[in-house]
Amino acid sequence: DGGITQSPKYLFRKEGQNVTLSCEQNLNHDAMYWYRQDPGQGLRLIYYSQIVNDFQKGDIAEGYSVSREKKESFPLTVTSAQKNPTAFYLCASSKGRGANVLTFGAGSRLTVL
Amino acid sequence: AQKITQTQPGMFVQEKEAVTLDCTYDTSDPSYGLFWYKQPSSGEMIFLIYQGSYDQQNATEGRYSLNFQKARKSANLVISASQLGDSAMYFCAMREAPQGGSEKLVFGKGTKLTVNP
Repeated sequence: DGGITQSPKYLFRKEGQNVTLSCEQNLNHDAMYWYRQDPGQGLRLIYYSQIVNDFQKGDIAEGYSVSREKKESFPLTVTSAQKNPTAFYLCASSKGRGANVLTFGAGSRLTVL
Repeated sequence: AQKITQTQPGMFVQEKEAVTLDCTYDTSDPSYGLFWYKQPSSGEMIFLIYQGSYDQQNATEGRYSLNFQKARKSANLVISASQLGDSAMYFCAMREAPQGGSEKLVFGKGTKLTVNP
């Protein structure tokens, strides 16, 4: 079955450490997205990519980095520069380069100790 | 400025009754799209329904319908015959294309729906 796989599902990190969240899709979708979700805040866009080797900053990109070396993969690194990284992170993809219907992964919950 | 506004943090409905979840949006683009997603307690986002700005008729998908009022810039979700499994967070989203950027979806803060037996 096609879909999006995010790993790990739960992650704990000490302050000052970088951490990378994995996102893999086998839907052959062109566009991929990373959202952050905090209680009462809804979803906020971190980074997105329409094609391989290209990505754009979303609304809250500071303290995060991404890469898009392969069509099916869009990892997100939460760096030590991110002041409040504890959150639920959702990866999504869509067919074509426009923002069409998004298919989401199950999410990764990051907790900074 | 907030592009998507969901004014109801929480809603309650009796099983088998209908419920309307409000969503208003702000855009100056003539072409846009509106989406509704459901997020159960498991966390995964589930697509429910889509309405294009040029669509003449309101979108419907099974028990879900979208009450699209373009002049009022509202896109309310109507769930008919509520079921216990409808208890979840519901998010309204809009597709926008910022100047110089690529299309992206912007989400509202969500409404928590509780269906009571």
